[in-house]
Amino acid sequence: SQTIHQWPATLVQPVGSPLSLECTVEGTSNPNLYWYRQAAGRGLQLLFYSVGIGQISSEVPQNLSASRPQDRQFILSSKKLLLSDSGFYLCAWSTNLAQYFGPGTRLLVL
Amino acid sequence: DQQVKQNSPSLSVQEGRISILNCDYTNSMFDYFLWYKKYPAEGPTFLISISSIKDKNEDGRFTVFLNKSAKHLSLHIVPSQPGDSAVYFCAASARAGNNRKLIWGLGTSLAVNP
Repeated sequence: SQTIHQWPATLVQPVGSPLSLECTVEGTSNPNLYWYRQAAGRGLQLLFYSVGIGQISSEVPQNLSASRPQDRQFILSSKKLLLSDSGFYLCAWSTNLAQYFGPGTRLLVL
Repeated sequence: DQQVKQNSPSLSVQEGRISILNCDYTNSMFDYFLWYKKYPAEGPTFLISISSIKDKNEDGRFTVFLNKSAKHLSLHIVPSQPGDSAVYFCAASARAGNNRKLIWGLGTSLAVNP
């Protein structure tokens, strides 16, 4: 069966510091991968998606970037965090119609 | 412009009764619809889906109804249980090149009272 891992679960970072969130998927090959953010009390905002290694599509202009160095690894990064980057970050995978989510990372930028 | 709308931010239901969560969409290109359930501080969990060629799909206590002419779908939970208390997201899917994107509603918070 497929599983998806995200770490860390919680992160507190100062403004201006770098960020690296990692997501890995097991049990499937060549999945589509997604990064979402959920701000407090809001819906899910798609940040990036990837249909293959090295292929990244950005949905919204922002302070973040994504990379897919391996088939089942998706990384969300920032060089300098802003206060507005605080939120709940979710990674998801799909091979067909439904998307399946990881446990999420709660990021607090102070 | 919100293409998928969940107009009720919250809903409160008595245990054992039916919960009905509603979702409206504007894009006629959507051909697949999904419902997700989300607990606080967890990722959304896929619940049930429906293709645009159907008008009903049932899975245990969960049934999704699709009315294409009205661009409306609903999720029925019967009987409702306290463990169903969560935020429910409606999502719609349309093909975008080699990928399928999900367009999400803002969610409805369901509280099932014992």
